[in-house]
Amino acid sequence: GDSVTQMEGPVTLSEEAFLTINCTYTATGYPSLFWYVQYPGEGLQLLLKATKADDKGSNKGFEATYRKETTSFHLEKGSVQVSDSAVYFCALSDLYSSASKIIFGSGTRLSIRP
Amino acid sequence: DTAVSQTPKYLVTQMGNDKSIKCEQNLGHDTMYWYKQDSKKFLKIMFSYNNKELIINETVPNRFSPKSPDKAHLNLHINSLELGDSAVYFCASSQPAGGAVQETQYFGPGTRLLVL
Repeated sequence: GDSVTQMEGPVTLSEEAFLTINCTYTATGYPSLFWYVQYPGEGLQLLLKATKADDKGSNKGFEATYRKETTSFHLEKGSVQVSDSAVYFCALSDLYSSASKIIFGSGTRLSIRP
Repeated sequence: DTAVSQTPKYLVTQMGNDKSIKCEQNLGHDTMYWYKQDSKKFLKIMFSYNNKELIINETVPNRFSPKSPDKAHLNLHINSLELGDSAVYFCASSQPAGGAVQETQYFGPGTRLLVL
C-alpha cells in the first residue's frame, strides 16, 4: 500500500541555519504531495503542496520539489527562525487507490535555538 | 472566525465511560474527517464523511461511532473508553476539487483525551 517515510527527529538547529527534512513515498498511482506543520498545542496546517512531478511547492520560505524519479519531496528552508519550531508532517494523497484519504508520515520535530 | 472547531478541547475521564467529541466547520465543505494522533505524534485517519455519508472507515473498534447530523458537523462518540484511547483527536474538512487533485484538508485544534 501507499506509504510515507520521513526522517526521524528531533532535529535541532541554530537560528539562520539551513534546513532539510527528508521525505520519500511509495504510491501505486500519481499522488499529490503535501507538507503540513503542527505548532505546539495546535492542529495541523497545510504548509505547501505539489500535485505533479517537478512541481515546486513554496510558502513562508519553505520549499519542496516533487521528484518522481527518486520518489521524494524533501522540505528545505534557507534560514530558519525560532518561530519555525514545530512538528512537520510529509503526506500524500493518491486518489486512484484511496479517494479523499491522506496518508501521513510519522512527523519530524524541529527545534530552533536562538 | 474559527474554520474548524472542536469541543471540548480537553477531556479527562475514567475507563469504561462513554464520551462524545463534537466538530463543526463553517467552510461550506462537503467532506469531514476524524484523525487520531498518538503520543508519538503518529497521525492516522479513522473516518471520513462526504455529505453525511460514510466513505472511509479504517480499522477502528466499533466502540467508536461517528455521526454526521448535517454536512457541517461530524461528531465522534466513544463507548466503554479504554486506556489506549488516550490521544489527541483531530477533526478536519475539505472540499472535493474534482479530477485527480487531492484537495487541502483544514484541521481543527484537536481534543486531548486522557482516559484514567
